[in-house]
Amino acid sequence: GPKVLQIPSHQIIDMGQMVTLNCDPVSNHLYFYWYKQILGQQMEFLVNFYNGKVMEKSKLFKDQFSVERPDGSYFTLKIQPTALEDSAVYFCASSRERGSSQNTLYFGAGTRLSVL
Amino acid sequence: GEQVEQRPPHLSVREGDSAVITCTYTDPNSYYFFWYKQEPGASLQLLMKVFSSTEINEGQGFTVLLNKKDKRLSLNLTAAHPGDSAAYFCAVSEWDNAGAKLTFGGGTRLTVRP
Repeated sequence: GPKVLQIPSHQIIDMGQMVTLNCDPVSNHLYFYWYKQILGQQMEFLVNFYNGKVMEKSKLFKDQFSVERPDGSYFTLKIQPTALEDSAVYFCASSRERGSSQNTLYFGAGTRLSVL
Repeated sequence: GEQVEQRPPHLSVREGDSAVITCTYTDPNSYYFFWYKQEPGASLQLLMKVFSSTEINEGQGFTVLLNKKDKRLSLNLTAAHPGDSAAYFCAVSEWDNAGAKLTFGGGTRLTVRP
């Protein structure tokens, strides 16, 4: 089936540094998402993105976070600067449509971010 | 906002037994319901997407029940086998989001013993 790839699977960085998480979405998909899962807690919606713009974001999507997908390449989540509480697994997802009964989100395997 | 509670967090059953995982949600406007399976190191795999209008949904080796009155969604694995061992997540979204913004349960780690 359709696959969403996330690179790397694990990233370790020092607090205050910048980190970019990469997502290679399903090729014909137009909508992109990031979810965050802190260890032992529920996966929570961060942001969705379409046509070069953030469509919706949650309160977890702090000012230090940004997303982009330049020229149809990776869909990225950048955190600058990182904080200890950013340690979590970040899941990328993509879908072909939004707001229709046919919409299905396909998820990647996640990137585990450890901020030291 | 929507809250989804999933029980149990851990479940261990013998091969051939049934396994039931339940989620309760709070938002009466919830319209789309999902079950995902995640094996270690792998992506979330969509097991089933359920619409608000359908109460009983049959999959391959499992049944999903939706009780709108009680705001409860359940996944019943009939005759579980070791290949079913994984983490399972329910998720809910409203009609106007059509699955674009999901609220997840906390997950259930299922172990099926031979």
